Amino acid sequence: DQQVKQNSPSLSVQEGRISILNCDYTNSMFDYFLWYKKYPAEGPTFLISISSIKDKNEDGRFTVFLNKSAKHLSLHIVPSQPGDSAVYFCASGAQKLVFGQGTRLTINP
Amino acid sequence: GAGVSQSPSNKVTEKGKDVELRCDPISGHTALYWYRQSLGQGLEFLIYFQGNSAPDKSGLPSDRFSAERTGGSVSTLTIQRTQQEDSAVYLCASSLRVLGSGEQFFGPGTRLTVL
Repeated sequence: DQQVKQNSPSLSVQEGRISILNCDYTNSMFDYFLWYKKYPAEGPTFLISISSIKDKNEDGRFTVFLNKSAKHLSLHIVPSQPGDSAVYFCASGAQKLVFGQGTRLTINP
Repeated sequence: GAGVSQSPSNKVTEKGKDVELRCDPISGHTALYWYRQSLGQGLEFLIYFQGNSAPDKSGLPSDRFSAERTGGSVSTLTIQRTQQEDSAVYLCASSLRVLGSGEQFFGPGTRLTVL
């Protein structure tokens, strides 16, 4: 069973526009959510996180929204830049992180 | 180095051979994690260490997989009698401690190909 799902394997966005990456989860016990970014041949790097006691967390161009009733979170990147092109993973858990399958984001100039 | 390092970066082996993958965590990080990413899949948890002990080995796919950590630092993931389905990128991560929440820092991974 996939506890964390990213249903869009890829997303293409024009530079300067908003990128919205989505993630759904099934485990209501999850209380902390993270987004990681991964470039080819590199390990994932932490991007932003959110606690379940919040519904929004913002860090510069990146904002994560959490809708607990819908068990859904999203990552907004605005404005999108070419360097944002990467694979984005959402994850949750405590000692062990459960990851989604990832969404490949491509920012077009 | 400042980050998590893994070796080798690439490993090609024949089916049935044993392989050892190494992880050097960030200095001072007591928690260490192993994940793997198969082609087109997300990251799959394998095992984590708190110090030298492994409280959760639930993610190890079979008894061909084992891991150890010595001195609270370096960890080795061993796969015996490798199979083609073991082909994946094996990622190691570390964190200051096993947190209820918080960031794990990942290494670049070891790409394992079993022929």
